[in-house]
Amino acid sequence: AQSVTQLGSHVSVSEGALVLLRCNYSSSVPPYLFWYVQYPNQGLQLLLKYTSAATLVKGINGFEAEFKKSETSFHLTKPSAHMSDAAEYFCAVGGGSQGNLIFGKGTKLSVKP
Amino acid sequence: EPEVTQTPSHQVTQMGQEVILRCVPISNHLYFYWYRQILGQKVEFLVSFYNNEISEKSEIFDDQFSVERPDGSNFTLKIRSTKLEDSAMYFCASSAYYLDGNTEAFFGQGTRLTVV
Repeated sequence: AQSVTQLGSHVSVSEGALVLLRCNYSSSVPPYLFWYVQYPNQGLQLLLKYTSAATLVKGINGFEAEFKKSETSFHLTKPSAHMSDAAEYFCAVGGGSQGNLIFGKGTKLSVKP
Repeated sequence: EPEVTQTPSHQVTQMGQEVILRCVPISNHLYFYWYRQILGQKVEFLVSFYNNEISEKSEIFDDQFSVERPDGSNFTLKIRSTKLEDSAMYFCASSAYYLDGNTEAFFGQGTRLTVV
């Protein structure tokens, strides 16, 4: 069985500060890992994905995530937050016997001026 | 850029009523999904649909739920007799291929269902 835990339902950072959104996963098979972002009144948009090619994955809008098997983590980072990054971020795992994604609860990111 | 569209964006219904949530997946996609998110909880998988039949469903997807692709473009989720606990955001998604990690699922903006 697969599962995802996102630590922190709400993270607040100042503009220009480092963004760190945490995601830990559990999977009995080699996982595929994803980060999705949802801006207000919009759908879920793929930020980046890990598919075993490289442990450090770069996504859109300056975000990146590092797959750490020993820590079963896939934390999302961005060196410098921008006001436009304010959104809800979802970590998801796939690759199990079911062809679907297992999501975390989401982390709402607020960016203060 | 192609996108998944869902209508309505917000639906309010009385308990016990039937609702149909509508989705138009991306036109050349073959796999379709419904997910839901109860406020403050995880986004949960409901069902996947391929080749005009359900390919997988979760335990949430009981007899009160059904899906249909009535006309080759729309993909609908029907809830026969709504309960208060069905209040949630419902996301439709589609993908070109089976979700094996090399394929991206594209999501709609969601329909917020409120059962009163």
